[in-house]
Amino acid sequence: DTGVSQNPRHKITKRGQNVTFRCDPISEHNRLYWYRQTLGQGPEFLTYFQNEAQLEKSRLLSDRFSAERPKGSFSTLEIQRTEQGDSAMYLCASSRGQGKHEQYFGPGTRLTVT
Amino acid sequence: KNQVEQSPQSLIILEGKNCTLQCNYTVSPFSNLRWYKQDTGRGPVSLTIMTFSENTKSNGRYTATLDADTKQSSLHITASQLSDSASYICVVSHYGNNRLAFGKGNQVVVIP
Repeated sequence: DTGVSQNPRHKITKRGQNVTFRCDPISEHNRLYWYRQTLGQGPEFLTYFQNEAQLEKSRLLSDRFSAERPKGSFSTLEIQRTEQGDSAMYLCASSRGQGKHEQYFGPGTRLTVT
Repeated sequence: KNQVEQSPQSLIILEGKNCTLQCNYTVSPFSNLRWYKQDTGRGPVSLTIMTFSENTKSNGRYTATLDADTKQSSLHITASQLSDSASYICVVSHYGNNRLAFGKGNQVVVIP
């Protein structure tokens, strides 16, 4: 399968713990996006990378959140000191570039903070 | 206020019937509009993408329309199947910064 993959698919953690998610984009795609989606809502933009450069961050991305794409391939999203409000589906998407280029989404990581 | 509004929020339809989902947007200037299908617990999958110059696009039993003047789009599902049960998300791309604005989705349930 050469689509976008995300790991883990599900994560249950206790409040205050740190979690890290991984996204592997489609190999030739230079843009990578992170979104958060809560139940009954559409995805909300968090941040995106062009190659290894993080070009934009949403105000939703508090200082507890950090994302990296060190070699311009896979990306990680870390949440420190998790809160119950962080419970959501975290989606990763990749695209060849901007404009009409389609964003291909991964299956998401479902985070539950207890 | 959300820049992309979808209606109805949810609907139940009988297998084999048709349905139409609506999307109104205020994003301006506008680059393109996409419809995604999202199965429960999965990531969204693209169905159609249209620029301002296109007013209809089909993908199998899915047909999307776009009226860029009134800023409205619709997604028509023909001869619905049980596998069409999903959330259908309207996504509008802002011209210039290419930021995507997502609707909340239309939740469709197809029953036998």
